[in-house]
Amino acid sequence: GQQVMQIPQYQHVQEGEDFTTYCNSSTTLSNIQWYKQRPGGHPVFLIQLVKSGEVKKQKRLTFQFGEAKKNSSLHITATQTTDVGTYFCAGPPSPGQFYFGTGTSLTVIP
Amino acid sequence: EAGVTQFPSHSVIEKGQTVTLRCDPISGHDNLYWYRRVMGKEIKFLLHFVKESKQDESGMPNNRFLAERTGGTYSTLKVQPAELEDSGVYFCASSQDRLHEQFFGPGTRLTVL
Repeated sequence: GQQVMQIPQYQHVQEGEDFTTYCNSSTTLSNIQWYKQRPGGHPVFLIQLVKSGEVKKQKRLTFQFGEAKKNSSLHITATQTTDVGTYFCAGPPSPGQFYFGTGTSLTVIP
Repeated sequence: EAGVTQFPSHSVIEKGQTVTLRCDPISGHDNLYWYRRVMGKEIKFLLHFVKESKQDESGMPNNRFLAERTGGTYSTLKVQPAELEDSGVYFCASSQDRLHEQFFGPGTRLTVL
């Protein structure tokens, strides 16, 4: 079945360090979305990538969609304590379904 | 604009009992999704409504789970009878269409004892 894996599962960084999470799907995705869930909260939409090879930036966050539309990455430059949370990639491989990645939990040490 | 709301926020029931979760999507959003997150693990897709129709329910774990969306507005997810492994946080999300961002509700934390 469809699988969307993310690595690493957990990441602890010192405040100011960079952070990257990688997302890999077993099938091609029509688009990829990224969400952030703070501890005790609910997933909040960050961004959507649609085109093959697309790169988008949001301040310190850089998102990339792979050429084959099966992988994606999120890179955070100079992490801050407000970046703490779990980052999920997600995408619809086919009409109806919507798969979330396994998530990467980020801890930022002040 | 009101966001997605879910009720109740918490539910503690005993094994074998029945629980019904409710989700009110953002007005005008035809697409409604149910997800479950267990023990801080991945967010698992349960099913997807487009208006009142079930577009995909392949993620529903078994026939103890029944989701409805009468009239294409709010949705309910009933678990009957509840088992221990049903514990987790149930999220509902809605979107304008399936290729746009999803807006999540605050979730219902279900504990089955």
